[in-house]
Amino acid sequence: NAGVMQNPRHLVRRRGQEARLRCSPVKGHSHVYWYRQLPEEGLKFMVYLQKENIIDESGMPKERFSAEFPKEGPSILRIQQVVRGDSAAYFCASSLQGNSPLHFGNGTRLTVT
Amino acid sequence: DQQVKQNSPSLSVQEGRISILNCDYTNSMFDYFLWYKKYPAEGPTFLISISSIKDKNEDGRFTVFLNKSAKHLSLHIVPSQPGDSAVYFCAASAIPGGSYIPTFGRGTSLIVHP
Repeated sequence: NAGVMQNPRHLVRRRGQEARLRCSPVKGHSHVYWYRQLPEEGLKFMVYLQKENIIDESGMPKERFSAEFPKEGPSILRIQQVVRGDSAAYFCASSLQGNSPLHFGNGTRLTVT
Repeated sequence: DQQVKQNSPSLSVQEGRISILNCDYTNSMFDYFLWYKKYPAEGPTFLISISSIKDKNEDGRFTVFLNKSAKHLSLHIVPSQPGDSAVYFCAASAIPGGSYIPTFGRGTSLIVHP
């Protein structure tokens, strides 16, 4: 009865490298959300996906960021050519239905050096 | 442009007393409100929710009150316990377009002293 699993927990990248963050939702959940928490700030919505579909990506930066939730396997948040401002905690959440409370993972803390 | 505001960054309460955490919102389309609790190095955990058709929802020591006319909600914890020390996030969502995407406040750090 595992919850939302995110890996890695900590990720260090140099400027210009790529970061890949993985999220396995609660078993049976088909709705996945990604949020970012910058230091001293709240959780900012990035993207909402269902299996194989991006439903809402209004919170995603236009460049360098992409997300997917394939039919098989975890959801992936990909950040290309990382910059120091990308350093943050990235949280994934899943829900059973679109109007159910979200279950969050423990996050991936990305540090860009 | 924050649509969900938690104006108190921190709150300190004595064990056994009531903790009251406040939240204001600006978007009148919000119709579902939630509170999450977050410990350091962990993800937020759902605590309690309330629909806009209600003005109160209670679950054990936790009660959420909603005042739609004032666009204000509050979370009451009675009695407060040291284990309640955490950051509390208020969140609100609406369904234009058919998707619930919670918008979060910045959080209030609650410290309950023994």
